[in-house]
Amino acid sequence: DTGVSQNPRHKITKRGQNVTFRCDPISEHNRLYWYRQTLGQGPEFLTYFQNEAQLEKSRLLSDRFSAERPKGSFSTLEIQRTEQGDSAMYLCASSLVGRGSVEAFFGQGTRLTVV
Amino acid sequence: AQSVTQLDSQVPVFEEAPVELRCNYSSSVSVYLFWYVQYPNQGLQLLLKYLSGSTLVESINGFEAEFNKSQTSFHLRKPSVHISDTAEYFCAVRSKDYKLSFGAGTTVTVRA
Repeated sequence: DTGVSQNPRHKITKRGQNVTFRCDPISEHNRLYWYRQTLGQGPEFLTYFQNEAQLEKSRLLSDRFSAERPKGSFSTLEIQRTEQGDSAMYLCASSLVGRGSVEAFFGQGTRLTVV
Repeated sequence: AQSVTQLDSQVPVFEEAPVELRCNYSSSVSVYLFWYVQYPNQGLQLLLKYLSGSTLVESINGFEAEFNKSQTSFHLRKPSVHISDTAEYFCAVRSKDYKLSFGAGTTVTVRA
């Protein structure tokens, strides 16, 4: 297993464009999380999935943001009509809940720059 | 609600000197605490964790942290740092639904 994989690693987009990020969690992990990290800050929770069900969305996740996890495997995070304030590192993490494990494993992140 | 405060935003330190990164948390439920390290343009790597049991936890690369319930702290220490320890360090507390709440981070810069 190669760990949590995120693509792309970097994305530069013009304001107003749509972008989509992908996260491949560790296989057999049932939980998948999205976090956002702005410069000089710690990661902030955005949303999480238990298998394919999206169980919670933060107030940080505006209507322009949507996340999916079809079939409970990989997940996508889409941002529509990007704004400069969306520039950040988007981190994905996965964990195996309910079988004694408590750790969340993070991917390398996708750094988004909106110009 | 749970929250984490990291008291130092920047910690410069000389190579082979000791370092301490301070972390205080607030939580109304059982506490699970973590330290993560982040190298430039990388994701987060778990450094160590406190779940229960011994209040002193250690990592494989010489870091240790001590859980202090009365002071609601989980400070990270290393007796002798290397240049390669230059990174950003995040303290985090886990909620009952497994979400993590992070502090703002402490940037450690090790100088020769």
